[in-house]
Amino acid sequence: KAGVTQTPRYLIKTRGQQVTLSCSPISGHRSVSWYQQTPGQGLQFLFEYFSETQRNKGNFPGRFSGRQFSNSRSEMNVSTLELGDSALYLCASSREGRVETQYFGPGTRLLVL
Amino acid sequence: GQQVMQIPQYQHVQEGEDFTTYCNSSTTLSNIQWYKQRPGGHPVFLIQLVKSGEVKKQKRLTFQFGEAKKNSSLHITATQTTDVGTYFCAGRSSNTGKLIFGQGTTLQVKP
Repeated sequence: KAGVTQTPRYLIKTRGQQVTLSCSPISGHRSVSWYQQTPGQGLQFLFEYFSETQRNKGNFPGRFSGRQFSNSRSEMNVSTLELGDSALYLCASSREGRVETQYFGPGTRLLVL
Repeated sequence: GQQVMQIPQYQHVQEGEDFTTYCNSSTTLSNIQWYKQRPGGHPVFLIQLVKSGEVKKQKRLTFQFGEAKKNSSLHITATQTTDVGTYFCAGRSSNTGKLIFGQGTTLQVKP
């Protein structure tokens, strides 16, 4: 079974731009969660989607948004990029999400200049 | 909001020494998960604990979930260089269902 895939793997943007990151979960998984990982803040929960609905949301500004498609693939969007948005963005999938383990993708490393 | 605190942040040990990382939540958890992230890699699931007072072992790794379901620990016996990485605990809130990660403990093992 293929693992979680994320595209692109690396991205360089400038302040003020927007970015869209994509995540394809493991086949059969319906829950997709997104995390931001930085050296200073660790793993910060962004949001969780299940069956195309946002089920949980972390404490991030409205510039961070996401969505999930009917095939469970998910995208997250960050508008008006700031230098502090430079981070590794990780996507994780699970079958149902509530009590199960999460399988992480390799991440998208975003650098904002 | 809910917090999951993990200590220590860093630990350097000599190969063969033991290592323990601790995780404490401000609220009751429905379950707790542990992940390991190797340098340059992504978090990989190790184990999940669900029951109060649960203890699980994986070879040299011992995981515990506190009686009150608010704390947990990971103990590695006789560390090896392959144990190097960052260990994260992640608690699932009983109230919100959110999975909140601890800050992680980065383990360095000197051969």
